[in-house]
Amino acid sequence: EAGVTQSPTHLIKTRGQQATLRCSPISGHTSVYWYQQALGLGLQFLLWYDEGEERNRGNFPPRFSGRQFPNYSSELNVNALELEDSALYLCASSSGTGEGYEQYFGPGTRLTVT
Amino acid sequence: QQPVQSPQAVILREGEDAVINCSSSKALYSVHWYRQKHGEAPVFLMILLKGGEQKGHEKISASFNEKKQQSSLYLTASQLSYSGTYFCGTFDHTGGFKTIFGAGTRLFVKA
Repeated sequence: EAGVTQSPTHLIKTRGQQATLRCSPISGHTSVYWYQQALGLGLQFLLWYDEGEERNRGNFPPRFSGRQFPNYSSELNVNALELEDSALYLCASSSGTGEGYEQYFGPGTRLTVT
Repeated sequence: QQPVQSPQAVILREGEDAVINCSSSKALYSVHWYRQKHGEAPVFLMILLKGGEQKGHEKISASFNEKKQQSSLYLTASQLSYSGTYFCGTFDHTGGFKTIFGAGTRLFVKA
């Protein structure tokens, strides 16, 4: 069974530009989560999508947005990039919603803003 | 409210044991544990649910004290492959369901 995949692996952008990150969940998983992991820090919850709808978002500005497609893949968009947006962005999927479901993480996209 | 993990870091020799703790100021229904090796994605280890249900890694053991709002991960007879950062995750239902991870515990096992 294929795991969660993310693309691109690395992304280098200039301050003020826009970045688009993509995630494909494990087949059959309908929930997709996005996290930001700044260097040496923990995982910060960004967004949660389930069944094509945004279900919740973390404490991030509106320039962080995304969507989930009918095939449950997801896209994270970051507008007006700032230097502090440089981080590893992890996507995770789960087979259900609720606290009893584990999350499976993709390898991440390393975003560097210069 | 982010769960608090302790210790922040621990160094072990192969074969030694370690305990990683996770505590929350809020009532918990579950605690999730993940391990992240350097440069890799976090990997699911275990879920502990209120009421005693557990699921996860066969070689990992953990406890969940609902009253104390704490969980502990027990790593016995550590192997080199146990090295990594361990995160506990809890859930915040304020304003909607979201995962909150602790800051992580860095574990290094040396030969």
